[in-house]
Amino acid sequence: GDSVTQMEGPVTLSEEAFLTINCTYTATGYPSLFWYVQYPGEGLQLLLKATKADDKGSNKGFEATYRKETTSFHLEKGSVQVSDSAVYFCALSRAGGGNKLTFGTGTQLKVEL
Amino acid sequence: EAGVVQSPRYKIIEKKQPVAFWCNPISGHNTLYWYRQNLGQGPELLIRYENEEAVDDSQLPKDRFSAERLKGVDSTLKIQPAELGDSAVYLCASSLGGGGLETQYFGPGTRLLVL
Repeated sequence: GDSVTQMEGPVTLSEEAFLTINCTYTATGYPSLFWYVQYPGEGLQLLLKATKADDKGSNKGFEATYRKETTSFHLEKGSVQVSDSAVYFCALSRAGGGNKLTFGTGTQLKVEL
Repeated sequence: EAGVVQSPRYKIIEKKQPVAFWCNPISGHNTLYWYRQNLGQGPELLIRYENEEAVDDSQLPKDRFSAERLKGVDSTLKIQPAELGDSAVYLCASSLGGGGLETQYFGPGTRLLVL
């Protein structure tokens, strides 16, 4: 079945540091890939997505590239801020799968001054 | 535009008691999802509705869980009786459609603690 594997957290960084959160997936066919973010006390919000190989999703300074050859969708940001502290979830959805999202376990990011 | 609304935000009950969660999706969204998120895990789909029809309930534990979306708008998820292992966050999401990889918008969730 479909699955998503994320690097475990928590990840603690200093403000302005470079961020990478690794995500790999297993799925039949050609899934769409997503990063969702969950700020404390809030619901999941879509951060970015990519629907086909080599697509790059980007939003709020975050970006991730759909790499079919390595089945990966790593999240990156060049300079994190304290306000980026949250839990980040990688997820996939397959056409014909009824828009069902399969999530990874989440990676908690804490950014300190 | 109002987002997905869920209530209550928190619920504490004793095991064997019933509990219900309510969700109002974004206006105009035909597809509604219920997910369960266990501590330290990602959300897992319980059931998906297209309008008032449950089109995917394969992950719903039907012996104790039930859901309805009678008029194709808001929805209720019920657990009866609750067990200790049901402690989790129950998330509701909605999207314009369900077959074309539409973006899902999530509510804040209901955090359930079963004692």
